[in-house]
Amino acid sequence: EAGVTQSPTHLIKTRGQQATLRCSPISGHTSVYWYQQALGLGLQFLLWYDEGEERNRGNFPPRFSGRQFPNYSSELNVNALELEDSALYLCASSSPWGWATDTQYFGPGTRLTVL
Amino acid sequence: QKEVEQNSGPLSVPEGAIASLNCTYSDRGSQSFFWYRQYSGKSPELIMSIYSNGDKEDGRFTAQLNKASQYVSLLIRDSQPSDSATYLCAVNGQGAQKLVFGQGTRLTINP
Repeated sequence: EAGVTQSPTHLIKTRGQQATLRCSPISGHTSVYWYQQALGLGLQFLLWYDEGEERNRGNFPPRFSGRQFPNYSSELNVNALELEDSALYLCASSSPWGWATDTQYFGPGTRLTVL
Repeated sequence: QKEVEQNSGPLSVPEGAIASLNCTYSDRGSQSFFWYRQYSGKSPELIMSIYSNGDKEDGRFTAQLNKASQYVSLLIRDSQPSDSATYLCAVNGQGAQKLVFGQGTRLTINP
């Protein structure tokens, strides 16, 4: 069974541009979570999508947004990029079934560099 | 007060010894507890989950949970250099974001 996949692996942008990151959850998983991990820092929760709806967002400005598609894949958009947006962006998914619905499995991440 | 707290380390342990990683959490209503391992530049990998008080063993790893003390730990027996990584403790949140992560403990196993 395939795990969580993310694309692209690396992304280089300049200040003011927009970045789009993509995530496909494990088959059967309906929840997708996005995290930002800046160099040397912990995981910062960005967004949680479930069944196509945004369920919660972390303490990030509105220029961080996303969506979840009917096939449960998700997209994270970062507008008006700033230098401090350079980070590893991680996507995770979880299953709606059973008793371990809060177990999250991570994808390999997208390394975003803003120049 | 941080919701999930871990000692950031670095924690240095000789090869073959037992590494002990600790985590405390603030929400008494938490029900699910997880340990993830993250190698530098890579994504977190789930090691263990624990839901009941006591010990849970999986190979060289043992997770320990004490809900009364709001404390969860991870023991790594016969530590290997390949265990050198950052270990993240995660606790289920109150439905708002499902999991709350600690800042992680950096573990170094010295040959």
